[in-house]
Amino acid sequence: AQSVTQLGSHVSVSEGALVLLRCNYSSSVPPYLFWYVQYPNQGLQLLLKYTSAATLVKGINGFEAEFKKSETSFHLTKPSAHMSDAAEYFCAVSGSGNTPLVFGKGTRLSVIA
Amino acid sequence: GAGVSQSPSNKVTEKGKDVELRCDPISGHTALYWYRQSLGQGLEFLIYFQGNSAPDKSGLPSDRFSAERTGGSVSTLTIQRTQQEDSAVYLCASKGGHEKLFFGSGTQLSVL
Repeated sequence: AQSVTQLGSHVSVSEGALVLLRCNYSSSVPPYLFWYVQYPNQGLQLLLKYTSAATLVKGINGFEAEFKKSETSFHLTKPSAHMSDAAEYFCAVSGSGNTPLVFGKGTRLSVIA
Repeated sequence: GAGVSQSPSNKVTEKGKDVELRCDPISGHTALYWYRQSLGQGLEFLIYFQGNSAPDKSGLPSDRFSAERTGGSVSTLTIQRTQQEDSAVYLCASKGGHEKLFFGSGTQLSVL
């Protein structure tokens, strides 16, 4: 069974500041890990995914995440926040193949000018 | 089609009525998923179809919820005797092979 915990339902950063969104997972099998973003009034879009290749994964819009097995973490970072990054971010985990993704409760990112 | 299409985009219904939500997945995608997104609750898995295999219904919250997928393509999620706690955004997603999951824009269901 898999589960995801996202620490912080709401994170607020200043424009240009570091973005750090935290995700810890639990999985009984080697996990596949994902970050999705949901902009206001839009569907979910894949930011990046980890599938047992490189532990540092680069995604779209300057985001990246590092898989740390020892910490069971997959935190999302971006060096410099932009106003357009304001959105809801979801971390998700699955086993292999097409098994359904298990999502965290989401973190809403606000960017302050 | 170009993406996952869901209809209607918004549905307002009265408590006790039945509703049907439709999902048109990306053509050729064999896997189809339904999720429910409630405020502050993230995405809750409901049901999963893979090709001609029996669907994984383990996420359906009650027997008032059911879904079918006809001809391996279009899927319909039915909620019978709707309750106010059913109000949420219902999201459909599809995937082909080992590709990423593509989500529709969802159906916002409001039960009055």
